[in-house]
Amino acid sequence: EPEVTQTPSHQVTQMGQEVILRCVPISNHLYFYWYRQILGQKVEFLVSFYNNEISEKSEIFDDQFSVERPDGSNFTLKIRSTKLEDSAMYFCASSEQQLAKNIQYFGAGTRLSVL
Amino acid sequence: AQSVTQPDIHITVSEGASLELRCNYSYGATPYLFWYVQSPGQGLQLLLKYFSGDTLVQGIKGFEAEFKRSQSSFNLRKPSVHWSDAAEYFCAVGAITGGGNKLTFGTGTQLKVEL
Repeated sequence: EPEVTQTPSHQVTQMGQEVILRCVPISNHLYFYWYRQILGQKVEFLVSFYNNEISEKSEIFDDQFSVERPDGSNFTLKIRSTKLEDSAMYFCASSEQQLAKNIQYFGAGTRLSVL
Repeated sequence: AQSVTQPDIHITVSEGASLELRCNYSYGATPYLFWYVQSPGQGLQLLLKYFSGDTLVQGIKGFEAEFKRSQSSFNLRKPSVHWSDAAEYFCAVGAITGGGNKLTFGTGTQLKVEL
């Protein structure tokens, strides 16, 4: 069964450093998403991406964050200068279509620890 | 804006007992509702979804959920729980906003199964 793959599973970084979280969405999917879950809190939407553009972003997704689809298979989330409060589990998801009733398939997540 | 409430943070049931996990949503239009499950080290796996039609929907692993518009609820049920059902369960509502598509999640319910 096709799946969304995220690497690394755990990333440890120092405050102020840049990190790139990587995702390989399901191959025929066209819509890509990042969500995050701070420990003990809700899974929160960060950004959706389609046709090499951001479709929507939340208020969390500030100038420190960026997304990119550098090639035909990868989808990345970059945090330019990490803060302690960026420590969270980051989930990548993909879907075939944008429709609200379209199923989003999630990866296993990358746990980001900012020290 | 849409929101999801899962009132129970932790639930413990005995193996073989029935299970009901509560979910209440707030959304102005017809909601698209989902239940996801997250096992340790795994991604979010879709259990079931409700888009329209029959208000009782069947999912994988013997789960079902009932949409009740009058109560704004979408509770998840299973008649007989197995030890392998121990996981975290998330209710979510899908919506198209601002040209994107995002899921809004509840805080999750951690299910523990006693043998």
